Amino acid sequence: QKEVEQNSGPLSVPEGAIASLNCTYSDRVSQSFFWYRQYSGKSPELIMSIYSNGDKEDGRFTAQLNKASQYVSLLIRDSQPSDSATYLCAVSRAGNMLTFGGGTRLMVKP
Amino acid sequence: KAGVTQTPRYLIKTRGQQVTLSCSPISGHRSVSWYQQTPGQGLQFLFEYFSETQRNKGNFPGRFSGRQFSNSRSEMNVSTLELGDSALYLCASSFNRNTGELFFGEGSRLTVL
Repeated sequence: QKEVEQNSGPLSVPEGAIASLNCTYSDRVSQSFFWYRQYSGKSPELIMSIYSNGDKEDGRFTAQLNKASQYVSLLIRDSQPSDSATYLCAVSRAGNMLTFGGGTRLMVKP
Repeated sequence: KAGVTQTPRYLIKTRGQQVTLSCSPISGHRSVSWYQQTPGQGLQFLFEYFSETQRNKGNFPGRFSGRQFSNSRSEMNVSTLELGDSALYLCASSFNRNTGELFFGEGSRLTVL
């Protein structure tokens, strides 16, 4: 079992819809959770971080964390073609040592 | 504000050679981490440096090493290169430890022939 699991996709949604990306992790000691976005041929960039159970909203993005279920999700509202990218879930027990999932490729169709 | 700068961007080596990659973090950032990205294994943590000391190390053989200088710049070295070392090596900087909020450079793409 991988430490951080994501559906590789592609997840295809129409423009304007809500994209829902999911991630599960196995290390119960994990303290910090992140979503990074990686465009093709580019390096990852941080879009959301979440540290406690519940929802955290930032613009069109909402991260959700459920430590009991070891589950993290990212919702993208009003999806745009420019959101098409690979979304990487990452968890950390401590420090800046992140464990990344394999990523979910999102395609937003006009 | 300049981003994370990695050099060289591309390099080709042959098996058995060694390679040194360089990373200049964002000004003021004191933590530098290195990651390896491959299509098969994804993004994997190599090591993290803070205040010139290695703070964490991933599950990679001893052929992979690194260091950090007093100006926070970092280098990583891979000795006795193997074909499987072909990958994108990403450096990431952060203002401090324990944030997980990393700013990645564009990477150094290593091809081992």
